[in-house]
Amino acid sequence: GIQVEQSPPDLILQEGANSTLRCNFSDSVNNLQWFHQNPWGQLINLFYIPSGTKQNGRLSATTVATERYSLLYISSSQTTDSGVYFCAASPTGANSKLTFGKGITLSVRP
Amino acid sequence: GAGVSQSPRYKVAKRGQDVALRCDPISGHVSLFWYQQALGQGPEFLTYFQNEAQLDKSGLPSDRFFAERPEGSVSTLKIQRTQQEDSAVYLCASHLRGVGFYEQYFGPGTRLTVT
Repeated sequence: GIQVEQSPPDLILQEGANSTLRCNFSDSVNNLQWFHQNPWGQLINLFYIPSGTKQNGRLSATTVATERYSLLYISSSQTTDSGVYFCAASPTGANSKLTFGKGITLSVRP
Repeated sequence: GAGVSQSPRYKVAKRGQDVALRCDPISGHVSLFWYQQALGQGPEFLTYFQNEAQLDKSGLPSDRFFAERPEGSVSTLKIQRTQQEDSAVYLCASHLRGVGFYEQYFGPGTRLTVT
């Protein structure tokens, strides 16, 4: 099945800094999503982005499907951005079940 | 509108007990998924329904795990004779359509602890 790898595994930032989180996937995809898992375990949808670029406030994401990677950009980070960020993908030709990466743990310090 | 809801939010079971976990998807969503998230890991797929039909159960770890969605809305994940390795967060997700690829929305999860 599809492999989803995220890097770096851990990231520590000072409040106000910018960061880039990376997701590599092993097959062509029809669905790619970024999630933020809050301290209570809720997966919050950030982006549905199988290709192209999207922006939502301080967050933006780019997926280059032909090169099999996606990037999540966080600008002007805030302490509330802390938590685990997951990338998940569904390969072309399969049903739409998601395969998740292991996550990136982000800590933003005041 | 209301999101995906799950109940109970927390469940403690003694080893060997049966448990039932409930998922209410977003109203009108055709597709429903169950995932299992072990501590410190990403969620892993368990099973998939399109309306009442269970189209993929390849992720169920053993025959002690059973899922149903008899009327195509609410779904129940049942675990028989629970074992300690079943301790995890069980997540439910739904999306709008049956065919094609759409954004999935997740519930808050049920944290199962088997003692």
